[in-house]
Amino acid sequence: KAGVTQTPRYLIKTRGQQVTLSCSPISGHRSVSWYQQTPGQGLQFLFEYFSETQRNKGNFPGRFSGRQFSNSRSEMNVSTLELGDSALYLCASSLAPGPYQPQHFGDGTRLSIL
Amino acid sequence: AQRVTQPEKLLSVFKGAPVELKCNYSYSGSPELFWYVQYSRQRLQLLLRHISRESIKGFTADLNKGETSFHLKKPFAQEEDSAMYYCALRPQGGSEKLVFGKGTKLTVNP
Repeated sequence: KAGVTQTPRYLIKTRGQQVTLSCSPISGHRSVSWYQQTPGQGLQFLFEYFSETQRNKGNFPGRFSGRQFSNSRSEMNVSTLELGDSALYLCASSLAPGPYQPQHFGDGTRLSIL
Repeated sequence: AQRVTQPEKLLSVFKGAPVELKCNYSYSGSPELFWYVQYSRQRLQLLLRHISRESIKGFTADLNKGETSFHLKKPFAQEEDSAMYYCALRPQGGSEKLVFGKGTKLTVNP
């Protein structure tokens, strides 16, 4: 069974641009979560989707948004990029929300802002 | 507030020595606790969770609600245990949100 797939693996953007990252969960998994990983702040929760609905959102500005499609694939978008948005963005999937369901992580998309 | 603290950024032990990676949490309810591991050039993967009460790769972790701790232990460390270890908390309520500690880099020397 293929794992969580994130594309692209690397991205370089400049300040003010916008970016879209993609995540394909493990087949059969319907819950997708996104995290930002930086050296200073560590791993921080961005948002969580299930059945095309955002169920929870972390403490990030409105420039960060996401969505989930009917096939459970998810995208996150960051608009008006800032230098501080440089990070590794991780996607995780699980069968469904709730206890006893472990989350499986992808390799991440490394975003660099110049 | 929901917080996970891993007091050691770096931990170095010799092969065959016992190892303990500390994790303390702050949460008013009954959370789920996890340990994730990231080996060099690999993705973050689940090592173990408190509800399973299992031993994975010789590692165990016991949830101590009185001390709000979930320390990871292994009696005899191996070189292949060298990795980054993250403790994580999932609050009650059905959300998938994980609150991570900053991680501990474990190095097992030959």
